[in-house]
Amino acid sequence: AQSVTQPDIHITVSEGASLELRCNYSYGATPYLFWYVQSPGQGLQLLLKYFSGDTLVQGIKGFEAEFKRSQSSFNLRKPSVHWSDAAEYFCAVGGQGNLIFGKGTKLSVKP
Amino acid sequence: DTGVSQDPRHKITKRGQNVTFRCDPISEHNRLYWYRQTLGQGPEFLTYFQNEAQLEKSRLLSDRFSAERPKGSFSTLEIQRTEQGDSAMYLCASSTSTGTSLKQYFGPGTRLTVT
Repeated sequence: AQSVTQPDIHITVSEGASLELRCNYSYGATPYLFWYVQSPGQGLQLLLKYFSGDTLVQGIKGFEAEFKRSQSSFNLRKPSVHWSDAAEYFCAVGGQGNLIFGKGTKLSVKP
Repeated sequence: DTGVSQDPRHKITKRGQNVTFRCDPISEHNRLYWYRQTLGQGPEFLTYFQNEAQLEKSRLLSDRFSAERPKGSFSTLEIQRTEQGDSAMYLCASSTSTGTSLKQYFGPGTRLTVT
């Protein structure tokens, strides 16, 4: 079955600290992988995507993610979190059609 | 690129009523997707179109739901005989259909509340 698991429902980090959000997927074919961010009252914004090639991908707002095929993971990282990063983050996997999303990780940032 | 727009942004309806939502995709995008998001969950796929053709429907899309994209541009999602369980955010997204341009751009959503 195709699925995405985000093991952490809620994470709190201090401003300036590093961040890693976990994502594991199950997908029968070569996956396209995405991270989206959703702020309250806002639509989903694409942070970054992986289709092929270099397994470390850079995105907007200083985020990066690493695709590890052997671990079926696509973890999102940021070296230094800003208060404006507080939001909900969704990992998604897809092929040529629809996306399958995880349940999301809510990020809170302490001053 | 004016982005994906959805109308209305909020809809409150009574159980049993019909509702219709509209989505206008990014103009050069030939694919259009509908998702549903309930509280505490990620978006769940409902259906998608490539041009006018509805290519895939989720089992979540019961007989009370119908989606159209008659001219390959905007799309409508209709829910007949609404139930309280239909209360959710309905998201529309669009994309191209070629190669590595499959990233989907999402609209702001229509929040449906069924009382």
